Amino acid sequence: QVQLVQSGSELTKPGASVKVSCKGSGYAFSSYALNWVRRVPGQGLEWMGWINTNTGSPTYAQGFTGRFVFSLDTSIGAAFLQISGLTPEDSAVYYCARDGLGGEVFDYWGQGSLVTVSS
Amino acid sequence: QTVVTQEASLTVSPGGAVTLTCASSTGPVTSSFYPNWFQQKPGQPPRPLIYNTDKRHSWTPARFSGSLLGGRAALTLSGVQPEDEAEYHCLLYSGDAQVFGGGTKLTVL
Repeated sequence: QVQLVQSGSELTKPGASVKVSCKGSGYAFSSYALNWVRRVPGQGLEWMGWINTNTGSPTYAQGFTGRFVFSLDTSIGAAFLQISGLTPEDSAVYYCARDGLGGEVFDYWGQGSLVTVSS
Repeated sequence: QTVVTQEASLTVSPGGAVTLTCASSTGPVTSSFYPNWFQQKPGQPPRPLIYNTDKRHSWTPARFSGSLLGGRAALTLSGVQPEDEAEYHCLLYSGDAQVFGGGTKLTVL
């Protein structure tokens, strides 16, 4: 069955960097795009952008350029989200979500990775 | 940037029906916005319910239906069950970007 398994919670300090992983299984990883979504406590979901898992080409949503980097390791079927220059405002749950076929976007989600930024 | 607006909260009685809506700041929502709906419970990731306006995923119960209503995307729950208490998020495709609404907290009481 299709699964997206993300890395665990991270507690980091302001100014540091963090790298969240998302490992797909049960399907052809490079055939389905991957999205990244953020949920800040008390707020709605925010689409951060997506990565073409075939070419590795990332697309960043407005507000997620500069400090955010999407990358892949297709040899292990994994995608990564790296955030640099962390501030407390980056404290959130970060999700990866696959785009299915036939318009079934965001059809499978990772369990979420909690990133907490605190001094 | 497009702003997507949903009702902040709604309450429905068990067995009843309720309609949640999703509006775009750019104008009427059409099928070209490819509306999606997700259900999210505390501590869980969002669960996809509806895609492309009115299509159910294979796991979506028949009591959930999507439509366009008065220039908005709509999610109707019929025969509401206690387990339907959750937050519901809509997603619109607009201006080459995916945009989530703020979410509707549905209480079943």
